Amino acid sequence: QQQVKQSPQSLIVQKGGIPIINCAYENTAFDYFPWYQQFPGKGPALLIAIRPDVSEKKEGRFTISFNKSAKQFSLHIMDSQPGDSATYFCAASIDGAQKLVFGQGTRLTINP
Amino acid sequence: DAEITQSPRHKITETGRQVTLACHQTWNHNNMFWYRQDLGHGLRLIHYSYGVQDTNKGEVSDGYSVSRSNTEDLPLTLESAASSQTSVYFCASSEAGGEDTQYFGPGTRLTVL
Repeated sequence: QQQVKQSPQSLIVQKGGIPIINCAYENTAFDYFPWYQQFPGKGPALLIAIRPDVSEKKEGRFTISFNKSAKQFSLHIMDSQPGDSATYFCAASIDGAQKLVFGQGTRLTINP
Repeated sequence: DAEITQSPRHKITETGRQVTLACHQTWNHNNMFWYRQDLGHGLRLIHYSYGVQDTNKGEVSDGYSVSRSNTEDLPLTLESAASSQTSVYFCASSEAGGEDTQYFGPGTRLTVL
């Protein structure tokens, strides 16, 4: 049972474009929604995270938009760069420090 | 600097053999997790521990076991390796009651022939 569904599976964007990755969840008990970035051969690393008491969070060029009523959240990357090319995972948990449920991942390619 | 390490980084084994993957963290985190990563499935939780002597089953625990005898280590054992367990395995840790971040190790690529 996939509790967090992520789309698209892959995404190609030109440099400077704004890739958007979407996730939907089922469990209304989730209260922590992180995004992880993974480069080839490396472990995932936390990029940005949000709790459901806010609708948007920005850190640098990365923004999470959160829609509690729709049970959806998304990652936007402003002014995307080739160095942003990586696999991105959304996730959710009931307690931030506890076990995470991950989406299927999105392989993002930013072309120069 | 504090870190989380995994060993070996690559392992090839045969069907039916017992395999143990090591995970060691120096953050003194109470929480530790094992995930497997497969194309199209993201990362799926295998087992997790919230402290010494505490272990819990995750979403895909069949064929795997863990033990937690100290804070720093959570070894993952495949009792009798199967080809379906060919995957990349990641260990992670986080601080109970502290910041939310789970820190991941570099991963172990396991191939079962």
